[in-house]
Formats: sequence, structure tokens, C-alpha cells
Amino acid sequence: EVQLVQSGAEVKKPGESLKISCKGSGYSFTTHWIAWVRQMPGKGLEWMGVIYPGDSNVKYSPSFQGQVTISADESINTAYLQWSSLKASDTAMYYCARRGVVGTILEYFDYWGQGTLVTVSS
Amino acid sequence: AIHMTQSPSSLSASVGDRVTITCRASQGIRNDLGWYQQKPGKAPKLLIYGASSLQSGVPSRFSGSGSGTDFTLTISSLQPEDFATYYCLQDYNLWTFGQGTKVEIK
Repeated sequence: EVQLVQSGAEVKKPGESLKISCKGSGYSFTTHWIAWVRQMPGKGLEWMGVIYPGDSNVKYSPSFQGQVTISADESINTAYLQWSSLKASDTAMYYCARRGVVGTILEYFDYWGQGTLVTVSS
Repeated sequence: AIHMTQSPSSLSASVGDRVTITCRASQGIRNDLGWYQQKPGKAPKLLIYGASSLQSGVPSRFSGSGSGTDFTLTISSLQPEDFATYYCLQDYNLWTFGQGTKVEIK
């Protein structure tokens, strides 16, 4: 069974650093893109970026380039999203999602993690 | 960057109603579009891929259509479990979500 399990909720202060995780199981982690998606309180979904764990190729949304870092450790089937200096505006739910084959050949984000709530407040 | 305009932002409907949600892309995206359903406190769920293909396990009352710039998600007969927020996602050039459509009980 494909599963993406994310790390737990975090409460941080502005200026602090943070790294949250997404552990995949039940499939070949290194051959599937993993995306990160932000959802601010009461708002819609925003695609942040993706990583291909097999070669650590990363693509960022222009809106998030330079604001976050996406990485992966294929030895433990885990992808990461990190901030070096959090802002109050980073308060949101963050989801990871796997890009997998649906139907016969198309790839879409088919499995999602449960979400990690990040709260940044002084 | 490709911009996705989804409408309406919200709608009220009754059980049994036919519901239509639209998404317009700022440029042609072939049929590289998916539709997702999100319930409060839950992760999104893929309903439709390739603009019109039903994801495995999704009820047949959901359907999608369109190509190029204009796309539609239709729920043929709204059920109580369908009250949720729906998002389109373009998959043509990187990825962009629409703003979402909240389907509420009338």
C-alpha cells in the first residue's frame, strides 16, 4: 500500500529554521516525483515545488524559489521541505504528494500525505 | 507562468442537483488537467486526470471535459458526501492550481 507519512505539527518563532519531512512507503521512492503544496488558513492550494529523489532534481514554483529548500534522502525514502528563517506568513498546512501513473501512461499527483501544520508566531 | 481561473468560487446546491465547475487556462494546456476534491481537514483527492478520465474508485457521477483552455467538472447528481472544495490543476508546464470552488449545501 502506497503511503506518505509526514512529520508532526510545528510551532516556531519568526526567524527560526525548520525542516519538515515526508516518508514514502509501498512503492519505489526513487522513481517518483514528490511535490510540496501549501495551504494557508482558509485559502486554496499552492504548488511549491517538486523533487525527483533518484537524482535530486528539483523544480520550484517561481513564487517559492529562494524562499524554501526541497531535498530528499533516498536511503530513508524521505523528502524534506525546509526554511532558514521563518516568517509569520509561512503559517500554513503543508502537504506532500507523489506523482504516479494513473490510467495507463499519464502521471498525476495521486497519493498525498496527511499534512503538516506549521505555525509561526512570536 | 500559466494562470488558472476557476469559477464560481462557491456555490450552493441541493442533493440531486447537477453541478458544473469551470476552469480556464491562460494559455493552451492540451488536456493536461486534473480535478481534485478536498474535504475540511483532509488532503486533496484526485478525481479526474487528463481532463476527462475518471480516477479509479471515483463514482461515475463525476465527469470532466474540455481541452486547450476551457475545462469543466460536472457532478451529475450531487450526493451528501460531495460537499467539499474542488480544485483544478494544470499539468502542462510545471503546475498551477485554480483558486478552488466550495460546494455548499443549499
